[in-house]
Amino acid sequence: GQQLNQSPQSMFIQEGEDVSMNCTSSSIFNTWLWYKQDPGEGPVLLIALYKAGELTSNGRLTAQFGITRKDSFLNISASIPSDVGIYFCAGHPSQGAQKLVFGQGTRLTINP
Amino acid sequence: GAGVSQSPRYKVAKRGQDVALRCDPISGHVSLFWYQQALGQGPEFLTYFQNEAQLDKSGLPSDRFFAERPEGSVSTLKIQRTQQEDSAVYLCASSLEASVLPAPSSYTDTQYFGPGTRLTVL
Repeated sequence: GQQLNQSPQSMFIQEGEDVSMNCTSSSIFNTWLWYKQDPGEGPVLLIALYKAGELTSNGRLTAQFGITRKDSFLNISASIPSDVGIYFCAGHPSQGAQKLVFGQGTRLTINP
Repeated sequence: GAGVSQSPRYKVAKRGQDVALRCDPISGHVSLFWYQQALGQGPEFLTYFQNEAQLDKSGLPSDRFFAERPEGSVSTLKIQRTQQEDSAVYLCASSLEASVLPAPSSYTDTQYFGPGTRLTVL
């Protein structure tokens, strides 16, 4: 089945630093989405990307839909303590399925 | 407004017991999804409903797993004869509309997730 390879698996940074994480796939995706999950909660959508090459920002978050439709990155600028959590990339596979395919997640830890 | 709710939040079952997990989607949402999230992993798709019709159940791991949405609103995921490998968080998500395939391009197909039910099978 289709898989999303997300890296890094974990990050330990200082407050105020910028963060970058990415997701790749061997197959084409129609959409790329970035979710954040806090302990004991469901994933919350941060950014949605619908077109190849699209670059979208949401506050301190910026994400891009790769031109090949096989990758995406998420950047967080000037990290703050509430950014701590697990970030997942996800996408709709190109076969047109309604389901989302998720990456394995990037666990972000911030040292104050 | 109310989001997606799931109950129970935690369930402990003895191996071999049957369990039923409930999902209340956002009112008026047409699409409903169930995902399974193992510890330390991303969610994995189980099944999808459009109104009361189960259009995709390709992710259900075995015939012990059964889902229904009889009136196109509340959904129940049932697991029969639970096994230890069924231990996971079960997430429900709903979206206002079905994605317009092959190119979803609208906020109306955004999937909103509930808090999940953590199932532990002893």
